[in-house]
Amino acid sequence: GAVVSQHPSRVICKSGTSVKIECRSLDFQATTMFWYRQFPKQSLMLMATSNEGSKATYEQGVEKDKFLINHASLTLSTLTVTSAHPEDSSFYICSGRVLEKLFFGSGTQLSVL
Amino acid sequence: DAKTTQPTSMDCAEGRAANLPCNHSTISGNEYVYWYRQIHSQGPQYIIHGLKNNETNEMASLIITEDRKSSTLILPHATLRDTAVYYCIVGSSTGANNLFFGTGTRLTVIP
Repeated sequence: GAVVSQHPSRVICKSGTSVKIECRSLDFQATTMFWYRQFPKQSLMLMATSNEGSKATYEQGVEKDKFLINHASLTLSTLTVTSAHPEDSSFYICSGRVLEKLFFGSGTQLSVL
Repeated sequence: DAKTTQPTSMDCAEGRAANLPCNHSTISGNEYVYWYRQIHSQGPQYIIHGLKNNETNEMASLIITEDRKSSTLILPHATLRDTAVYYCIVGSSTGANNLFFGTGTRLTVIP
């Protein structure tokens, strides 16, 4: 299957700082990538859809000014959590589509102190 | 996207077949059935998908009923490493559509 590389795998930051998460498609080009958030013992919740060369589409209730998404190339999408707070602590996962399948990154565990 | 219903949890003895059911009674004609699994603290892993015919790959088999309202994922010889949350998802194969993840089935393979 296709490979999606996500970094970092784990990050701990202080409240009020910003954290950038990278998602790269290593062997395919992704015009669209999806960003999910997962709280403990819950399922994945779609946060936003990033589109190469244009603005991201955010799901209802997700603050676009807090979760900045950039999809500047066909192989890289980034999610920046700005002014992070403890309630932003979660597992963040990206995915890219190849034909009819979604392939996922390994996830980023964000802990905000 | 259509929603799915899965049992919350299941156990399976190591070496036996694990049969995971899924109901998707509101599936529409162009929607595929996908199965993914997620091992703790990792991203979901693609297992298999199908439209209406049964499918088999190196990981599993997918049996879809003729009316497409339900399906079963079969892991023929479960191992301890198959312990995970298994998600059954239905969704369109076209465009930039996301796949909606429900709560899944937590499969525990018992030694």
